[in-house]
Amino acid sequence: DAGVIQSPRHEVTEMGQEVTLRCKLISGHNSLFWYRQTMMRGLELLIYFNNNVPIDDSGMPEDRFSAKMPNASFSTLKIQPSEPRDSAVYFCASSLDRRQETQYFGPGTRLLVL
Amino acid sequence: DAKTTQPPSMDCAEGRAANLPCNHSTISGNEYVYWYRQIHSQGPQYIIHGLKNNETNEMASLIITEDRKSSTLILPHATLRDTAVYYCIVRGLNDYKLSFGAGTTVTVRA
Repeated sequence: DAGVIQSPRHEVTEMGQEVTLRCKLISGHNSLFWYRQTMMRGLELLIYFNNNVPIDDSGMPEDRFSAKMPNASFSTLKIQPSEPRDSAVYFCASSLDRRQETQYFGPGTRLLVL
Repeated sequence: DAKTTQPPSMDCAEGRAANLPCNHSTISGNEYVYWYRQIHSQGPQYIIHGLKNNETNEMASLIITEDRKSSTLILPHATLRDTAVYYCIVRGLNDYKLSFGAGTTVTVRA
C-alpha cells in the first residue's frame, strides 16, 4: 500500500490567497484526521472525520479553515484567505475506525504564507 | 494539562540500546500508552502501544511498570536512522485524538 498521500508537499503563497491541501486515505480506512504542526504549538488536531462525517472540528482555528471529504478516500483542507500565521506543516492521518489504535500519517504539506 | 512527562533530549551510541523513559502518573485503568516517533521532515510514525503487559514488536519493546505510572521504550540496537523525536502518549481506547507533547529528541551518534 502506498500509505497516506498528501499534495502538494510544499506550498508557498501570498497572504490573502486561497490554499487547498489534499489527502488520500489508505484504502479501506474510514477515519481521517488533519493535524497542524508549528514550533510554537507542536502537533495539534484540527478536525476528525469518521465515515466521511466531521465528528470533531473544535481544533479548526477559525472560519477561514474548512475541510471536506467528498468521498471515502479523499479529503481537502482549505484556507481562505490565508495569513502568514497559517504557515505550518499540515499532516493528515487515517485509521480503520475511531477505536483503532494506529493512525497512519502522511508526509505532510509544508505551507509558507508570505 | 500534560498527561505524560518525557526528558527533552537524550543521546545514544549507535548499536547500543536506547531506553526512553516516560512518566504518566495520572493514567487511568482504561488508558493505553502509545509511542510514536517523528523523523525530521516526515510525518509521525507509530511504534508500539500497551496497556499493562510488556510488548515487543519488530521496532521496539515497551516496558510498563506494575503500577502503570511510568514506562520505558527500548530500541534494542539503535541506528543512525533512529534519530528522531519520540512521543509518549496516553490515550483511552475510545479516544480518537492523539495528544502530542514535546517528546524526547533522541540523537544516535556513530
